[in-house]
Amino acid sequence: ETGVTQSPTHLIKTRGQQVTLRCSSQSGHNTVSWYQQALGQGPQFIFQYYREEENGRGNFPPRFSGLQFPNYSSELNVNALELDDSALYLCASSLGTTQETQYFGPGTRLLVL
Amino acid sequence: GESVGLHLPTLSVQEGDNSIINCAYSNSASDYFIWYKQESGKGPQFIIDIRSNMDKRQGQRVTVLLNKTVKHLSLQIAATQPGDSAVYFCAENVDDYKLSFGAGTTVTVRA
Repeated sequence: ETGVTQSPTHLIKTRGQQVTLRCSSQSGHNTVSWYQQALGQGPQFIFQYYREEENGRGNFPPRFSGLQFPNYSSELNVNALELDDSALYLCASSLGTTQETQYFGPGTRLLVL
Repeated sequence: GESVGLHLPTLSVQEGDNSIINCAYSNSASDYFIWYKQESGKGPQFIIDIRSNMDKRQGQRVTVLLNKTVKHLSLQIAATQPGDSAVYFCAENVDDYKLSFGAGTTVTVRA
């Protein structure tokens, strides 16, 4: 069984640029959730995707967007990067949407200069 | 603000002793809670979960206790080992699908 994988592991961008982060869900999982974790804090929910549709969204602006593909993998896109977007971006997959255990990938460390 | 929080940001424990990590939550409607362990440079790793119809659940060397009356849960680690050094988060399942995390407790195991 393959766990959750994310790419790239690290990324450096400058303000105003755009970034795409990728996530492959654990085998058999159809739901992907994205979280942002600033240094020294707990993860903050960005949004969740189920059956290629956004299932819910946290308190993040529209420049944070996502996609889910038929194979359940997912992308997180961030436009017009700001310095405060520097964080660890975590992807978690689960068997479904309702009270299912979410299993996390290793994350992508994004630094915005 | 966050609905889930931990009582203490740091915990230092002697190797072989038991550890207790506490967490308070504010949403009385929450009915699913999860403990995660996060080592430096890694993503959160699932430890154990508990639903509101239970007050105790045991895993391998870990026990989670849930007190719904005072909205408190705790994670007990038996015979703490050096490999248990990490940041521990409790997470609350909100609206049935998203997780709300506290700031975490950093556990350091002394040899």
